[in-house]
Amino acid sequence: EVQLVESGGGLVKPGGSLRLSCAASGFTFSTYTMTWVRQAPGKGLEWVSSITSTSNHIYYADSLRGRFTISRDDAKNSLYLQMNSLRAEDTAMYYCARDRIPYNWNDLPTFDFWGQGTAVTVSS
Amino acid sequence: DIVMIQSPDSLAVSLGERATINCKSSQNILYSSNNQNYLAWYQQKPGQPPNLLIYWASTRESGVPDRFSGSGSGTDFTLTISNLQAEDVAVYYCQQYFMTPVTFGGGTKVEIK
Repeated sequence: EVQLVESGGGLVKPGGSLRLSCAASGFTFSTYTMTWVRQAPGKGLEWVSSITSTSNHIYYADSLRGRFTISRDDAKNSLYLQMNSLRAEDTAMYYCARDRIPYNWNDLPTFDFWGQGTAVTVSS
Repeated sequence: DIVMIQSPDSLAVSLGERATINCKSSQNILYSSNNQNYLAWYQQKPGQPPNLLIYWASTRESGVPDRFSGSGSGTDFTLTISNLQAEDVAVYYCQQYFMTPVTFGGGTKVEIK
């Protein structure tokens, strides 16, 4: 059974940092593009960042580039999101999501499995 | 960036009736080389993560009931829920994966009339 379990969220002051983690199981993690998607309270979905298998392609939302860094550790079946210089507008539920297709180096992802999310609140 | 505009923002439909949700992209998301529209649909129920319903604009994900169907091409797309069931109450999002950044529509809330 595919499982994605996010952790690392919490309350942080503006300007602070957090590192989110996503532990994957039930599939060959190394072969899939993985993505972070966030959702502000009561709002819609916002793509944050994707990293392909073998990390050969990394994509970021333009507004987040330079503050957020995505990475993966295939030996640990884990995805990460390092978030720096956090702002109030970064307050959201952060979801880890798997691409529908393994070894997908040609197309941007669609998301067939999602974690339950980890909540990030940026407030003084 | 490709902007995805959904309409309506919300709709109320009687049980057993049809719900129609529209999604318009600010530019063409049909890739001529493979004749595929890079458009997906998701369902999100309260307190849950999204669930993939449709990809390539009209291909139903495994396990998705056949009352869900997707259509359209180029810039205009539709998600149709036929024979609406109580468990279909949710917010529905379209997503384009034609070019980075990946973008989602603003969502359409479906309720029971």
